[in-house]
Amino acid sequence: RKEVEQDPGPFNVPEGATVAFNCTYSNSASQSFFWYRQDCRKEPKLLMSVYSSGNEDGRFTAQLNRASQYISLLIRDSKLSDSATYLCVIRSNDYKLSFGAGTTVTVRA
Amino acid sequence: DTGVSQDPRHKITKRGQNVTFRCDPISEHNRLYWYRQTLGQGPEFLTYFQNEAQLEKSRLLSDRFSAERPKGSFSTLEIQRTEQGDSAMYLCASRGGLSTDTQYFGPGTRLTVL
Repeated sequence: RKEVEQDPGPFNVPEGATVAFNCTYSNSASQSFFWYRQDCRKEPKLLMSVYSSGNEDGRFTAQLNRASQYISLLIRDSKLSDSATYLCVIRSNDYKLSFGAGTTVTVRA
Repeated sequence: DTGVSQDPRHKITKRGQNVTFRCDPISEHNRLYWYRQTLGQGPEFLTYFQNEAQLEKSRLLSDRFSAERPKGSFSTLEIQRTEQGDSAMYLCASRGGLSTDTQYFGPGTRLTVL
């Protein structure tokens, strides 16, 4: 079983729509959680950290459910520039990051 | 631009050749990581350094792979006797002290083994 599993999508949504997707993780001892964004053939970039109480950054909302071991990301009022692959990432005790395979989002005009 | 640089950005080589990649982390970052990413997958951890010490290596890092960070600044990743299965994007990331979780990635080196 992979350490981090994501729905690969693709999620194809119109501009202005809301899109949400989850990932699950297997290591209950995972300490930190993140969403990274990766554009085609580019490096991953941190989108936001995910906190136990849930957190929001503009149009992006992240939630963490430790009991069920899943993380979610919601994007409101989608923009064309939100088209990317979103990587679910967890950190183990030794600061190594484990990545999911990514969820592809395409926002169409 | 995160401040992490990698060289070269692209490398095409023939099977059996040796290749070496370089990573220059953000200058004050003492932790440096190497990852490998293949098409359709997320990055996979290869190894990491704290200063010049290599503290962890993944089982993905076969004996054909070696990484160094001799002065605790830049790092090199060498692949000997390359195989077609080594074709991937090799990503380097760096992180500052204990106060931050964030790893900053370089642009990667895309390796194609013919």
